[in-house]
Amino acid sequence: EAGVAQSPRYKIIEKRQSVAFWCNPISGHATLYWYQQILGQGPKLLIQFQNNGVVDDSQLPKDRFSAERLKGVDSTLKIQPAKLEDSAVYLCASSGSAPGLAYEQYFGPGTRLTVT
Amino acid sequence: GENVEQHPSTLSVQEGDSAVIKCTYSDSASNYFPWYKQELGKRPQLIIDIRSNVGEKKDQRIAVTLNKTAKHFSLHITETQPEDSAVYFCAARGYNFNKFYFGSGTKLNVKP
Repeated sequence: EAGVAQSPRYKIIEKRQSVAFWCNPISGHATLYWYQQILGQGPKLLIQFQNNGVVDDSQLPKDRFSAERLKGVDSTLKIQPAKLEDSAVYLCASSGSAPGLAYEQYFGPGTRLTVT
Repeated sequence: GENVEQHPSTLSVQEGDSAVIKCTYSDSASNYFPWYKQELGKRPQLIIDIRSNVGEKKDQRIAVTLNKTAKHFSLHITETQPEDSAVYFCAARGYNFNKFYFGSGTKLNVKP
């Protein structure tokens, strides 16, 4: 089974620039998560999709962050404009939603963002 | 919402000793509790999990226990090895919408 794919793996931008991250979940997984992980901390949920609908985006800074999952498969997360404090690893994860398969969550390799 | 607390934040043990990491959660409706191991610069990897209808689960040197009444669960690693050194995260899955709440992590250092 192929894992969660993310790109790019690394990105360096200047503050006030924009950046986009892409995620392709495990085939058949209906639930997709975007997390922000700052060095030394646990993953913080930014947004959660169920198919192409948003389940939770309560911790997404909506003035600068946006995300979409138009066809219920892959997803993009955008930051515009970026701030220094956005420097972090952005992790995408997915999980199934069928009975008995709704539990395990698998992470992608992450995108390490550095804002200078 | 759910709140997950994890202790200790750092743990140093001698190779061959046991290590125990503890987590508490607040929402009694949470029904799934995974543990992740994250090595430096890598993604979190699921190492063991337990569902709310089970009290204990073991996989070789790793075990997880769940006390639903007290709302806490623990990770036990026996016969620790240097390659066990990593950051370990606990999580609790809320009853609704597959949402996961993470602990703050424990940095485990196994000294050879």
